[in-house]
Amino acid sequence: GNSVTQMEGPVTLSEEAFLTINCTYTATGYPSLFWYVQYPGEGLQLLLKATKADDKGSNKGFEATYRKETTSFHLEKGSVQVSDSAVYFCALIKLLGNQFYFGTGTSLTVIP
Amino acid sequence: DTGVSQDPRHKITKRGQNVTFRCDPISEHNRLYWYRQTLGQGPEFLTYFQNEAQLEKSRLLSDRFSAERPKGSFSTLEIQRTEQGDSAMYLCASSSSGGGYTGELFFGEGSRLTVL
Repeated sequence: GNSVTQMEGPVTLSEEAFLTINCTYTATGYPSLFWYVQYPGEGLQLLLKATKADDKGSNKGFEATYRKETTSFHLEKGSVQVSDSAVYFCALIKLLGNQFYFGTGTSLTVIP
Repeated sequence: DTGVSQDPRHKITKRGQNVTFRCDPISEHNRLYWYRQTLGQGPEFLTYFQNEAQLEKSRLLSDRFSAERPKGSFSTLEIQRTEQGDSAMYLCASSSSGGGYTGELFFGEGSRLTVL
């Protein structure tokens, strides 16, 4: 089956700290991988994506690399800001599929 | 505002009552999805429409749940005889399927259901 496992939170970091949120997946075939972010009081929005192995998605200083050999898509940011406080969801969709599979989400709080 | 909109944002109901949620997708999107999210969990797929056709339904969608998209634009999700276990955030998302489709979903802010 298809599934996504991401590290449990909550995660609390000081401003300018380095962030890693781990995500691993199980899927048949070649899925596309996504990170979605949900800011307080808002809907989920796409943060970044990668559609094939070794692709690196990046946005707003966040990066994630599609690693087929380790079935991982870890989210990283070199220097977090208070405004990055949100819940982050790793997700996959099978190629040409219509069903997303989401992880359970990781809550990040960045303190000044 | 051209994003996905959902109504109502919050519904409190008594067990056994029926509730209906509405979703207005981004106008040029032909695909529409319903997801359910409970506390501490990621969104779980419920159903999916392409235009007015309901093409996939999850096993999570019991016979008390029904979704429609009659004209291929807005959609409704009805829950009959609500149970306390139905309490959750119901998320609507839309996407296009045209050229350049990359699988990105655009989500609304959700409709929170509380069943007393």
